[in-house]
Amino acid sequence: AQSVAQPEDQVNVAEGNPLTVKCTYSVSGNPYLFWYVQYPNRGLQFLLKYITGDNLVKGSYGFEAEFNKSQTSFHLKKPSALVSDSALYFCAVRVSGNTPLVFGKGTRLSVIA
Amino acid sequence: EAEVAQSPRYKITEKSQAVAFWCDPISGHATLYWYRQILGQGPELLVQFQDESVVDDSQLPKDRFSAERLKGVDSTLKIQPAELGDSAMYLCASSPPAGARGTEAFFGQGTRLTVV
Repeated sequence: AQSVAQPEDQVNVAEGNPLTVKCTYSVSGNPYLFWYVQYPNRGLQFLLKYITGDNLVKGSYGFEAEFNKSQTSFHLKKPSALVSDSALYFCAVRVSGNTPLVFGKGTRLSVIA
Repeated sequence: EAEVAQSPRYKITEKSQAVAFWCDPISGHATLYWYRQILGQGPELLVQFQDESVVDDSQLPKDRFSAERLKGVDSTLKIQPAELGDSAMYLCASSPPAGARGTEAFFGQGTRLTVV
């Protein structure tokens, strides 16, 4: 069975500093990895995905993520955090076709001005 | 830009009452998912449809929950009777036709259910 771990419940970072939100996964086979963001009382918005190819993927709003197969990780990063980045971030994995996404428990990012 | 539509946005109901949620996926998306998100947790799959057929409902509490997608387009999720523990955000998502490997799911705004 596939699973996702987000080891940090909360990440705090000062505005303008780089941010990292951690994600590790466990699957049988090749993973398809995703990051979503959720604002209060809203649905999930897609940020970026890794399917194959370059291990560094770029997504919306200046976010990027690095796929590391040996460490089974897919950490989300941004070079310079904004206060408006404050939200709940979810990492997710699927293994094939249109199998359901399996989500981590989420990490709350707080960017302080 | 096409969106997944859900209604209502908010619902308050008394325990033991029936409640229903509606979802209209992005046009052309054959796969539809219902997820439940308890406060402070990640979304968990309740049911997956491929067109009008249920693909996976292994996590759906079938004694009280039901889901249908009769014409393979929009879908309804029902709870009867509602219990206090059902208070959560119910999220609907859709994906393009099968075969688009790795394609992301597109989520609606969700329905926030409060059972009192």
